[in-house]
Amino acid sequence: DIQMTQSPSFLSASVGDRVTINCKASQNINRYLNWYQQKLGEAPKLLIYNANSLQTGIPSRFSGSGSGTDFTLTISSLQPEDVATYFCLQHNSWPWTFGGGTKLELK
Amino acid sequence: VQLVESGGGLVQPGKSLKLSCSASGFTFSSYGMHWIRQAPGKGLDWVAYISSSSGTVYADAVKGRFTISRDNAKNTLYLQLNSLKSEDTAIYYCARIGKATPFDYWGQGVMVTVSS
Repeated sequence: DIQMTQSPSFLSASVGDRVTINCKASQNINRYLNWYQQKLGEAPKLLIYNANSLQTGIPSRFSGSGSGTDFTLTISSLQPEDVATYFCLQHNSWPWTFGGGTKLELK
Repeated sequence: VQLVESGGGLVQPGKSLKLSCSASGFTFSSYGMHWIRQAPGKGLDWVAYISSSSGTVYADAVKGRFTISRDNAKNTLYLQLNSLKSEDTAIYYCARIGKATPFDYWGQGVMVTVSS
């Protein structure tokens, strides 16, 4: 199985900060990487698919980049409503696997 | 699109439970569906998949114990959990395979606790 290593596990940032979260795959996954946001008690929400495609309805402050084994989710200007846990998913090879998650809090 | 899970609860080891995922807002019969779980304090793990034509695939950890099924007339996805173990304790989510990408919509999850 492909291992997805996500970093950092915990992140504290201020409103307006640029925030980056990383996912590293144990082998090449091309661009088959999604990013999700999960707020407490809510269903996970798709933010970015196929490494850099913004899901419909997601604010443009969210962006994704990367290919192969290294990927990044960027929030260009952190907003209070962005407090959540973020996780990545690789869907290049079966079984699809997830990163361990990044808990983002406000400083 | 809305997915709503139900059927979770506390169950003893070795017993069974059946989870449901009620779908609305899309043509359920046209989409493949998955179950994914998250054990307390752990990451997410894919559990099972059913295609729009009812073909199924399972994770090794649940193969032979869990059964995924669907009732397109009722717009409902199911997961039958048999021979439950303590390590099956988790929040179980259903999620849809989108046209552009997998897991484009998720339910809010349902808790299953396996304990004596």
